[in-house]
Amino acid sequence: DTEVTQTPKHLVMGMTNKKSLKCEQHMGHRAMYWYKQKAKKPPELMFVYSYEKLSINESVPSRFSPECPNSSLLNLHLHALQPEDSALYLCASSQDLGRGQIYEQYFGPGTRLTVT
Amino acid sequence: QKEVEQNSGPLSVPEGAIASLNCTYSDRGSQSFFWYRQYSGKSPELIMFIYSNGDKEDGRFTAQLNKASQYVSLLIRDSQPSDSATYLCAVRGTGTASKLTFGTGTRLQVTL
Repeated sequence: DTEVTQTPKHLVMGMTNKKSLKCEQHMGHRAMYWYKQKAKKPPELMFVYSYEKLSINESVPSRFSPECPNSSLLNLHLHALQPEDSALYLCASSQDLGRGQIYEQYFGPGTRLTVT
Repeated sequence: QKEVEQNSGPLSVPEGAIASLNCTYSDRGSQSFFWYRQYSGKSPELIMFIYSNGDKEDGRFTAQLNKASQYVSLLIRDSQPSDSATYLCAVRGTGTASKLTFGTGTRLQVTL
């Protein structure tokens, strides 16, 4: 079972709203990721969590705030977003971070975010 | 800058033919290589991964890796219209272990 789930599927929010994206995996994976993907572009890494601790922040603006409540859950809190933040937000997980090992990443279905 | 390059396409092949998708990378120390398929409006789906020189086969898919020449390819045999999608090459290099560098993807069109 290589399933990663994300909610909601679609989200429309105004620039003053606060919302959260949720991701869940039940594969026992210890690394979880947030990516942002714009149309016709590859996924762009935002954050990496390993064993529930933030491992990588790719200089993401503070209006995006990640949270990893436990090893199965990953949230992305959104506040004061801009229209250019509209994109497909993808969650992924892998067994571990891959140091010296091949740990493939599995993506969830994504949340299509529109900021108005 | 460590890069992964793919021809954006579209690559058009007739149904039943072999589709050949190529990817080159700049980081000579790259460890492992992944092919993802992405249908329009959907998320990337892992198709294959490879880390040793040579070929790796899985059903109609074959991944080929040549570290000396720094390229990795994906062959799709007996191409079907359902294979029409964008194929993303991703490389794990020598930097941060968890980080994948993606190519921009090749759009494949399988025609009837």
